[in-house]
Amino acid sequence: DAGVTQSPTHLIKTRGQQVTLRCSPISGHKSVSWYQQVLGQGPQFIFQYYEKEERGRGNFPDRFSARQFPNYSSELNVNALLLGDSALYLCASTDWAYNEQFFGPGTRLTVL
Amino acid sequence: TQLLEQSPQFLSIQEGENLTVYCNSSSVFSSLQWYRQEPGEGPVLLVTVVTGGEVKKLKRLTFQFGDARKDSSLHITAAQPGDTGLYLCAGGDYKLSFGAGTTVTVRA
Repeated sequence: DAGVTQSPTHLIKTRGQQVTLRCSPISGHKSVSWYQQVLGQGPQFIFQYYEKEERGRGNFPDRFSARQFPNYSSELNVNALLLGDSALYLCASTDWAYNEQFFGPGTRLTVL
Repeated sequence: TQLLEQSPQFLSIQEGENLTVYCNSSSVFSSLQWYRQEPGEGPVLLVTVVTGGEVKKLKRLTFQFGDARKDSSLHITAAQPGDTGLYLCAGGDYKLSFGAGTTVTVRA
């Protein structure tokens, strides 16, 4: 079975630009979460979507938004990029039977 | 926000030695997860502990959940170079809170 997939793997943008990151969950999982991991820190929760509805949001500005599609894939959008948005963006798919989250390989975003 | 503190921050040992990583919080968690992450990759789930006092073994790795469900530990016996990585503990329901991680280096 395929795990969580994310695209692109790497991305370079300049300040002020906008970016869209994509994620497909494990087949059968209906929930997707997004996390930001900056160098030297653990991942920080951004959003969770379940059945296309936002279930929770972390302490991130409104420049960050997300959505989930009928096939349960998801997009994370970040507007007006800042240098501090440079990070590894991780998508996780949830198995609610065991309340376990499985992570994709991440998208490395560099903002210049 | 439920905070998790991990110690030590860095650990470098020789192949064959044992090591223990700690994860502590002032909050009670219904469950805690341990992940291992390699550079440039996503975290890989190792184990979930649910019951206070629970001990789980995964080959040379032993995970313990504190009786009060506020702390956990990961013990590796006879570490190998393949155990090198960032070990993260995480807790919470749909919104996981992560510790900052322990970077483990096992020298051959």
